[in-house]
Amino acid sequence: DSGVTQTPKHLITATGQRVTLRCSPRSGDLSVYWYQQSLDQGLQFLIQYYNGEERAKGNILERFSAQQFPDLHSELNLSSLELGDSALYFCASSAGAGNTIYFGEGSWLTVV
Amino acid sequence: GNSVTQMEGPVTLSEEAFLTINCTYTATGYPSLFWYVQYPGEGLQLLLKATKADDKGSNKGFEATYRKETTSFHLEKGSVQVSDSAVYFCALSRAGGTSYGKLTFGQGTILTVHP
Repeated sequence: DSGVTQTPKHLITATGQRVTLRCSPRSGDLSVYWYQQSLDQGLQFLIQYYNGEERAKGNILERFSAQQFPDLHSELNLSSLELGDSALYFCASSAGAGNTIYFGEGSWLTVV
Repeated sequence: GNSVTQMEGPVTLSEEAFLTINCTYTATGYPSLFWYVQYPGEGLQLLLKATKADDKGSNKGFEATYRKETTSFHLEKGSVQVSDSAVYFCALSRAGGTSYGKLTFGQGTILTVHP
């Protein structure tokens, strides 16, 4: 158990819908990262927050957004969903840059 | 930018065989290097890491040495087991610059071990 908790574990939704994925980082970790894993793109970095502020942005679509709350949990919002958004979405956390990054078990999103 | 290249898979071995999965990287400065493993239906688990040149990371019989001269971090295990069947990811992170410590992953190598 990495200590990073993600909900829901599985989600099936229709095209055009919006979903929210939730992540609770390891106790004391200030950095939260979101990654997308798909068969064709592999593991892609989406976005990073540090203590509530956006720190780095990767290949995140404009239809996606994220935030980190004062209690350090984070949410990834995916809207106007398309079939191609079906993927495994990972949250990860670390104490900060240079520290080991630990991953949650992921949220499986299927768009039908 | 930073990038990681892993040997193409899948890799299929018999139990007790020797395993090598090649990994090379491109990065400015001095990255930290990692191997993560993903067992079927599960998330990513940190397998081992090395933070500076010539460091050797090891865990569960797996080893990898940070070779700055060849920009490599090859994963090895002397005797694989069926339970090692998984996808293995090589990754790097840099604490400085605009990377802010995020991980850059290779494409993953599928390992299947047969009894």
